[in-house]
Amino acid sequence: DAKTTQPPSMDCAEGRAANLPCNHSTISGNEYVYWYRQIHSQGPQYIIHGLKNNETNEMASLIITEDRKSSTLILPHATLRDTAVYYCIVRTGGSQGNLIFGKGTKLSVKP
Amino acid sequence: GAGVSQSPSNKVTEKGKDVELRCDPISGHTALYWYRQSLGQGLEFLIYFQGNSAPDKSGLPSDRFSAERTGGSVSTLTIQRTQQEDSAVYLCASSSRHSGGAYTGELFFGEGSRLTVL
Repeated sequence: DAKTTQPPSMDCAEGRAANLPCNHSTISGNEYVYWYRQIHSQGPQYIIHGLKNNETNEMASLIITEDRKSSTLILPHATLRDTAVYYCIVRTGGSQGNLIFGKGTKLSVKP
Repeated sequence: GAGVSQSPSNKVTEKGKDVELRCDPISGHTALYWYRQSLGQGLEFLIYFQGNSAPDKSGLPSDRFSAERTGGSVSTLTIQRTQQEDSAVYLCASSSRHSGGAYTGELFFGEGSRLTVL
């Protein structure tokens, strides 16, 4: 599975959009982009995933560049409860192997 | 319950003792994963089970670590002769096959078992 690069930390004001970038320049054509987050002292939580089209669900939006070498997770109206470590992972959609987590981005939402 | 259940939630043991950590995955989930997370660190993959296939043990840090999955459901992670560096939160996750046949990649995690080795 391809590797990803994320900034180690980011701040966001409460109520504003949080835009978390991820670079995955070596992504293969059959690899999906997944986002998880881990709130302090809890297990990781799935957020969203996509292949090449932008995706939106009740938690977030995922914007993938046309060349698929990078993506952005958008939390449209960040709240204090969105403070967490956000992990961007690329993985074959039909993969039956392990899911490798990197170091992620520590998002701090401030009042 | 509907989620992944792990037990015990907390375990304190003495160096050199063996410990067993249990994971009950979501019913019907064929894939089961073990990770560990040391204080302030990221998730470290340990082992992965998929149905009746041979498990992927590539993440186990030493031969003191082993895991089994009985009947394709419950899994037990065993750490023999525990060391202080084994202190961490051990997380279990499970996932299922999408109705279309391919995995969606969504893992459901338990709350973890916190192991402290004195």
